[in-house]
Amino acid sequence: AQSVTQLGSHVSVSEGALVLLRCNYSSSVPPYLFWYVQYPNQGLQLLLKYTSAATLVKGINGFEAEFKKSETSFHLTKPSAHMSDAAEYFCAVSDLNGNTGKLIFGQGTTLQVKP
Amino acid sequence: KAGVTQTPRYLIKTRGQQVTLSCSPISGHRSVSWYQQTPGQGLQFLFEYFSETQRNKGNFPGRFSGRQFSNSRSEMNVSTLELGDSALYLCASSLTGPETQYFGPGTRLLVL
Repeated sequence: AQSVTQLGSHVSVSEGALVLLRCNYSSSVPPYLFWYVQYPNQGLQLLLKYTSAATLVKGINGFEAEFKKSETSFHLTKPSAHMSDAAEYFCAVSDLNGNTGKLIFGQGTTLQVKP
Repeated sequence: KAGVTQTPRYLIKTRGQQVTLSCSPISGHRSVSWYQQTPGQGLQFLFEYFSETQRNKGNFPGRFSGRQFSNSRSEMNVSTLELGDSALYLCASSLTGPETQYFGPGTRLLVL
């Protein structure tokens, strides 16, 4: 069965510092992978996605992620954190068994940005 | 294009009642998926509808049900509410399913 593990439920960085949020997945077939962000009292907003094209994926707000099959990882990075990046981030894998619209989410990582 | 809309945004119910939540997908999207988000369990898949048929179902009791209409709008129903059903219920739409899902703002349900 597919699963997603996000290492670190809480990450704290200083404004201007590198952001690194870790995500590892397990899947028997090449998956579709996603990063979503959730601000308080809102739904999920898509940051970026990997769908078996380029392994380095660029998303919105300066975020990017690299798909590494050998490490089964899809870590999210941003060179310089901004106060507005403080939110909860979710990594997800698309369940390709049955080719349906089911996402399997990690537990989420709360990003705190300190001034 | 308008995004995914969910109504109502907030709901307070008491134990034993039933509730119906509504989701309108992005125009042209035929797949609607529902998720439950709680602090303890995180984001869990409830079910997915495609062309008015339930195509996939998560591990939830039969009290949770849904349907989809011919215009792709979807409703989910929870009967005999329990305190543990308090959660943020999110719906997401996509063109056919496994590609990118776009989420609505959610319905926050509080069961007293």
